[in-house]
Amino acid sequence: ETGVTQSPTHLIKTRGQQVTLRCSSQSGHNTVSWYQQALGQGPQFIFQYYREEENGRGNFPPRFSGLQFPNYSSELNVNALELDDSALYLCASSWEDTEAFFGQGTRLTVV
Amino acid sequence: AQSVTQPDIHITVSEGASLELRCNYSYGATPYLFWYVQSPGQGLQLLLKYFSGDTLVQGIKGFEAEFKRSQSSFNLRKPSVHWSDAAEYFCAVGLIQGAQKLVFGQGTRLTINP
Repeated sequence: ETGVTQSPTHLIKTRGQQVTLRCSSQSGHNTVSWYQQALGQGPQFIFQYYREEENGRGNFPPRFSGLQFPNYSSELNVNALELDDSALYLCASSWEDTEAFFGQGTRLTVV
Repeated sequence: AQSVTQPDIHITVSEGASLELRCNYSYGATPYLFWYVQSPGQGLQLLLKYFSGDTLVQGIKGFEAEFKRSQSSFNLRKPSVHWSDAAEYFCAVGLIQGAQKLVFGQGTRLTINP
């Protein structure tokens, strides 16, 4: 059984740029959620995708957007990067709305 | 709004000693409750979960947690810690029957003394 995989593991971007993070959900899972974890903090819910539709959103601005593909993999896009966007971005998948299984995360640094 | 409080930012225990990590939540309905563990620079691993039924739940790595509705608590326990248990521990509550839309506490960092 393949777990949740995220790419890239690390990246550095400049303020104002755009970034795309990718997530392959665990085999058999159809629901993906994204979280932002700032240094020293707990993860914060960004949004969830279920069957290719956004299914709930946390308190994040519209420049955070996402996609889910027919194979249930997902992307997180962030436009107009700000320094405060530097964080570990975590993807989690599940079958329907059962417990979430997390990937290793993507460490984004905005300079 | 839902919230989760982990009162202890950092706890140090000796190897072999017992452990209890505290978690209190604020939630209007029957919560879905979780404990996750995170090693440095890594993702989150699910230790255990409570959806309904028996209020004492067993998890992986010898951990257990007890749901106490009257105290709005879901404390994590382990009878005897091992050096490999050193990590960050997060309590989380699921939003409105959403086991994936989670609200996390700030975490408790566990250090193990040899």
